[in-house]
Amino acid sequence: DTAVSQTPKYLVTQMGNDKSIKCEQNLGHDTMYWYKQDSKKFLKIMFSYNNKELIINETVPNRFSPKSPDKAHLNLHINSLELGDSAVYFCASSQIYGYTFGSGTRLTVV
Amino acid sequence: GDSVTQMEGPVTLSEEAFLTINCTYTATGYPSLFWYVQYPGEGLQLLLKATKADDKGSNKGFEATYRKETTSFHLEKGSVQVSDSAVYFCALSDLETSYDKVIFGPGTSLSVIP
Repeated sequence: DTAVSQTPKYLVTQMGNDKSIKCEQNLGHDTMYWYKQDSKKFLKIMFSYNNKELIINETVPNRFSPKSPDKAHLNLHINSLELGDSAVYFCASSQIYGYTFGSGTRLTVV
Repeated sequence: GDSVTQMEGPVTLSEEAFLTINCTYTATGYPSLFWYVQYPGEGLQLLLKATKADDKGSNKGFEATYRKETTSFHLEKGSVQVSDSAVYFCALSDLETSYDKVIFGPGTSLSVIP
């Protein structure tokens, strides 16, 4: 069984569109995250939720809005997509030490 | 703020060669340290961790020792295989200064050739 699952795996869209990426974890973890990985493999945290409550909100444009309907889900909605949003987005969850990552969503904005 | 520095890649080794990937960190508190591995097209997987000074984390033949005096956590493996080709990330988590946020180094790409 997949522990942290993200959908879709690939997303190609035009500039200006709005898109969502979904994430679900079946590990019973309290904390979930979104990370962005750029073309040079650099990982940067975007958001962190603990039991549906926003804990970390790094310097991310307002066009990015996370939503956590329950502690097993953390979705990422992006408005007015820009070319610079192209990246791989990873969802992760954790309980104490160490993350469990999803396999990533490769977003390409054209 | 807290940060992690890794040796730049890419690193290319022949099979059975010895591997060292250097990692140093800066932290305000007393962090836990991690190595993650990312195989092509996949997410990151926890490879090993250490939570206090002089702890040695180990997994799949990889080892790293938490050195507080040199603020380092170098990754080593005695004999690499082609299947070890991946990107390796050193990381830290400092609960005192950043609630459960893991800060990653820039990653080091490793290619092992037969």
